[in-house]
Amino acid sequence: DTEVTQTPKHLVMGMTNKKSLKCEQHMGHRAMYWYKQKAKKPPELMFVYSYEKLSINESVPSRFSPECPNSSLLNLHLHALQPEDSALYLCASSQVGGLGANVLTFGAGSRLTVL
Amino acid sequence: GQNIDQPTEMTATEGAIVQINCTYQTSGFNGLFWYQQHAGEAPTFLSYNVLDGLEEKGRFSSFLSRSKGYSYLLLKELQMKDSASYLCAVRDTGYALNFGKGTSLLVTP
Repeated sequence: DTEVTQTPKHLVMGMTNKKSLKCEQHMGHRAMYWYKQKAKKPPELMFVYSYEKLSINESVPSRFSPECPNSSLLNLHLHALQPEDSALYLCASSQVGGLGANVLTFGAGSRLTVL
Repeated sequence: GQNIDQPTEMTATEGAIVQINCTYQTSGFNGLFWYQQHAGEAPTFLSYNVLDGLEEKGRFSSFLSRSKGYSYLLLKELQMKDSASYLCAVRDTGYALNFGKGTSLLVTP
């Protein structure tokens, strides 16, 4: 299995809703990432988990709450979002250390629309 | 911090060769990467340079000069399916990649 699977593919939510994005990989990767991508813009790093521990938080607002329950799963909990948070949210994974740490495998993304 | 620059758009003809340049300024350097991204899809890994020189992978080659903070991606024998955004990304001393704004390549018949 060489894939990163993200669900749901599309999500529409109101500003008062609570929802979650999910990401799963079975490649044995111990680093997992959340990126945010707006239309015609590059991916922007949000969070990095290494060995299930949060190692990077790029000053992301607290309405985004990441969680890494085990080495295969990564969640992004969403609460009280704003319309400007509408974007494609990409999950990625990689090995930690060695040459494999250099290659991120991305999921297809979850397209979020906040009304 | 990091500053990564690449052209916004390029157009080339099917069967031709195109070179996409990328310049960067980083506080640390642990490799330069090129990703391809079709509209509405995830980025896919193309190539990686950590030492100076040329890396060739089929129709795609990537070059790095660390002293000049410069890289390019060379695409040969262009095909229509190569129309996509090409993202230059730099890894500093951490795990994560920081991406440039991407170059939108249009291949015409």
